[in-house]
Amino acid sequence: GDSVTQMEGPVTLSEEAFLTINCTYTATGYPSLFWYVQYPGEGLQLLLKATKADDKGSNKGFEATYRKETTSFHLEKGSVQVSDSAVYFCALTEKTSYDKVIFGPGTSLSVIP
Amino acid sequence: EAGVTQFPSHSVIEKGQTVTLRCDPISGHDNLYWYRRVMGKEIKFLLHFVKESKQDESGMPNNRFLAERTGGTYSTLKVQPAELEDSGVYFCASSRRLSTAAEAFFGQGTRLTVV
Repeated sequence: GDSVTQMEGPVTLSEEAFLTINCTYTATGYPSLFWYVQYPGEGLQLLLKATKADDKGSNKGFEATYRKETTSFHLEKGSVQVSDSAVYFCALTEKTSYDKVIFGPGTSLSVIP
Repeated sequence: EAGVTQFPSHSVIEKGQTVTLRCDPISGHDNLYWYRRVMGKEIKFLLHFVKESKQDESGMPNNRFLAERTGGTYSTLKVQPAELEDSGVYFCASSRRLSTAAEAFFGQGTRLTVV
């Protein structure tokens, strides 16, 4: 079945460091790809998305590019802030089954001043 | 506009007891989803309601779990009897009728601990 794998955490970075969280997926069809974020004490929020190959999703300084050839959707940010500390989930939906989101295990990020 | 609200935020129960989790979706949202994250692993889909009807319950782990959405408003998820492996965070999400699951708004989750 469809699945999402992402790098294990926790990840600890200093403020203004470059962030990469790797994500790869397995899907039978042609999925849409997403990154969600859960800040402490809050619910999951959709951070960015990409629906076709070579699309780049971006939001709040974060970017991820849909790479069909490598089945990847790595999350990047050039300069992290303390406020970016959260758990990040890579996810997909299949075009044949829009009624559920398939999530990866999550990567916890801590940014220290 | 109020967001998706889940009650309680935390629950600690003994093995064998019953627990009922509640989700109040955003008003007017026909789609309601339940997910759970067990032991820090991936968040897994449990089921999907469209109004009061179960559209997809393929993710429900076993018959100890019962979800209802009477009247198509709030939903409850009952675990009876609870087992240790049921511990985790249970998320609810809702979206408008023609939205996809990825466009759903999530609640903060209920952290369930079974001891």
